Amino acid sequence: SQTIHQWPATLVQPVGSPLSLECTVEGTSNPNLYWYRQAAGRGLQLLFYSVGIGQISSEVPQNLSASRPQDRQFILSSKKLLLSDSGFYLCAWRPGQGVNTIYFGEGSWLTVV
Amino acid sequence: DQQVKQNSPSLSVQEGRISILNCDYTNSMFDYFLWYKKYPAEGPTFLISISSIKDKNEDGRFTVFLNKSAKHLSLHIVPSQPGDSAVYFCAARKGWGGSQGNLIFGKGTKLSVKP
Repeated sequence: SQTIHQWPATLVQPVGSPLSLECTVEGTSNPNLYWYRQAAGRGLQLLFYSVGIGQISSEVPQNLSASRPQDRQFILSSKKLLLSDSGFYLCAWRPGQGVNTIYFGEGSWLTVV
Repeated sequence: DQQVKQNSPSLSVQEGRISILNCDYTNSMFDYFLWYKKYPAEGPTFLISISSIKDKNEDGRFTVFLNKSAKHLSLHIVPSQPGDSAVYFCAARKGWGGSQGNLIFGKGTKLSVKP
């Protein structure tokens, strides 16, 4: 069966520090991968998606970047965190074709102080 | 511009009664709709979905109704249980085109089921 993991689960970082959140999917190949953020009062906002290795699409302009160095690995990064980057970050995946549902990881709480 | 709207941020229901969560959308190109349930500090989990070619889909205690003319869908939970207390997100998909099936989510409705 397929599983998705993301880490760390909780992170407290000072303003201006770098960020790296990692996500891996197991039990599937060539998935579509997503990074979402849940900020207070704003629901689930799509940040990045990827349909293959090295292919990243950004949905909103921001202080963050994403990379997909391997088929089942998706990384969310920042060089310098802002206070507004605080939130609950969710990695998600979907089989490449024919499946409508996306499946979420456990989430990572980021607090920028 | 919010394309998927959940206008009720919260809903409180008595155990055993029906919970009705509502969702409105603005884009007539949406062809697939999903409901996700989220507990605090956890990732959302898929609950139920409906294609735009249908007007109803049922799975146990959960039923989703779609009214395309009104661009409205609702999730009915009958009977409601305390374990249903969570935030419910409505999501919509705009085909399989350039955004590869990306989902657009509403802001969520927090359901509280009281014993």
